[in-house]
Amino acid sequence: GAVVSQHPSWVICKSGTSVKIECRSLDFQATTMFWYRQFPKQSLMLMATSNEGSKATYEQGVEKDKFLINHASLTLSTLTVTSAHPEDSSFYICSAATRRETQYFGPGTRLLVL
Amino acid sequence: GQNIDQPTEMTATEGAIVQINCTYQTSGFNGLFWYQQHAGEAPTFLSYNVLDGLEEKGRFSSFLSRSKGYSYLLLKELQMKDSASYLCAMHAGNNRKLIWGLGTSLAVNP
Repeated sequence: GAVVSQHPSWVICKSGTSVKIECRSLDFQATTMFWYRQFPKQSLMLMATSNEGSKATYEQGVEKDKFLINHASLTLSTLTVTSAHPEDSSFYICSAATRRETQYFGPGTRLLVL
Repeated sequence: GQNIDQPTEMTATEGAIVQINCTYQTSGFNGLFWYQQHAGEAPTFLSYNVLDGLEEKGRFSSFLSRSKGYSYLLLKELQMKDSASYLCAMHAGNNRKLIWGLGTSLAVNP
């Protein structure tokens, strides 16, 4: 149980385009999902908390107009990186929280912006 | 404020036992998580301690002392595949997000 999928696993795009990443909890309902970013050999950095049916809560320093989060159902949250630039290239990972606050992670999405 | 700390790197030998410590400071503490993250992959859940004491799960055990703000992850019969980063994270207050340590990179040598 507690499986989280993430799609796509790899994205290569041109600078200025937008990229959408989907995160799904496959066998449980998650009212709360989280989006993280991780640069090579660095720690996880929480970007935002995504709550079903309401606006996401962004961490300090994360631009909400650049990283659009939508949590339209209890099993799906999406992150859209708008007008992506090379500095947005990173490993993006989502997680879904169970009632006991245990976070189960998706496999991650590697974004490379050229 | 909130603070969580763990060693940056550790090295151990295949077949041995290693203990990874994590100390934390917070108010409204609810519980302490341990995750494993292999290079290039997402973290995977290992354990969640709410009450004081040791919880054993196969080769891995996790301990918590709420009064001391201290936890450790114990890995027995180390295997090469245990080489990974081990992240401790605490949950505090009513906020659903976790506060993450920077991770301990464990290298298991033959």
